[in-house]
Amino acid sequence: NAGVTQTPKFQVLKTGQSMTLQCAQDMNHNSMYWYRQDPGMGLRLIYYSASEGTTDKGEVPNGYNVSRLNKREFSLRLESAAPSQTSVYFCASTKSGTARAEAFFGQGTRLTVV
Amino acid sequence: QQQVKQSPQSLIVQKGGISIINCAYENTAFDYFPWYQQFPGKGPALLIAIRPDVSEKKEGRFTISFNKSAKQFSLHIMDSQPGDSATYFCAASIGNAGNMLTFGGGTRLMVKP
Repeated sequence: NAGVTQTPKFQVLKTGQSMTLQCAQDMNHNSMYWYRQDPGMGLRLIYYSASEGTTDKGEVPNGYNVSRLNKREFSLRLESAAPSQTSVYFCASTKSGTARAEAFFGQGTRLTVV
Repeated sequence: QQQVKQSPQSLIVQKGGISIINCAYENTAFDYFPWYQQFPGKGPALLIAIRPDVSEKKEGRFTISFNKSAKQFSLHIMDSQPGDSATYFCAASIGNAGNMLTFGGGTRLMVKP
């Protein structure tokens, strides 16, 4: 009964390095999201995928790219990491076609860029 | 500019007391207002949610009060317990807009035994 699984849980990057955060859900949800959490800012939407094959920008997309690999998996890529991207990243999913659907979150990836 | 403003940032309550967290929003298109609870090291989880056609929703010790004219809503935790110690986020979304959530800044609640 995994729900939403994120890897890795922790990562330290040097400025300019690249990396991909992985997310997979086993609830047959069609919609998936990437948020970042910063102190006092709550969670802010980076990108989302309403359904397989589609992706759209959220509130803070600059410096990130996403790939909806299949229905289960939604990855977030940092091409050239910057210290401002130090944050905790959460992946979430919701049931497709249902307005006001409950969002299920992964346990997060704590990323530090030095 | 934060579309959902949450206060206080932190809150300390004695066991058995009432915890109150307030949120205010600006976008009148919001029509769904959930609260999420987050324990350390975990992702947020849905606690309770309300639509603007009702003024109050209660689930156990948790109550949402909603004031549409003031564009404010609040979470009340009655008989607060140490196990309620967590960070609470209010959020808002537009029902037909992909379930994207706009979150408040969060409130760290500590319930002292």
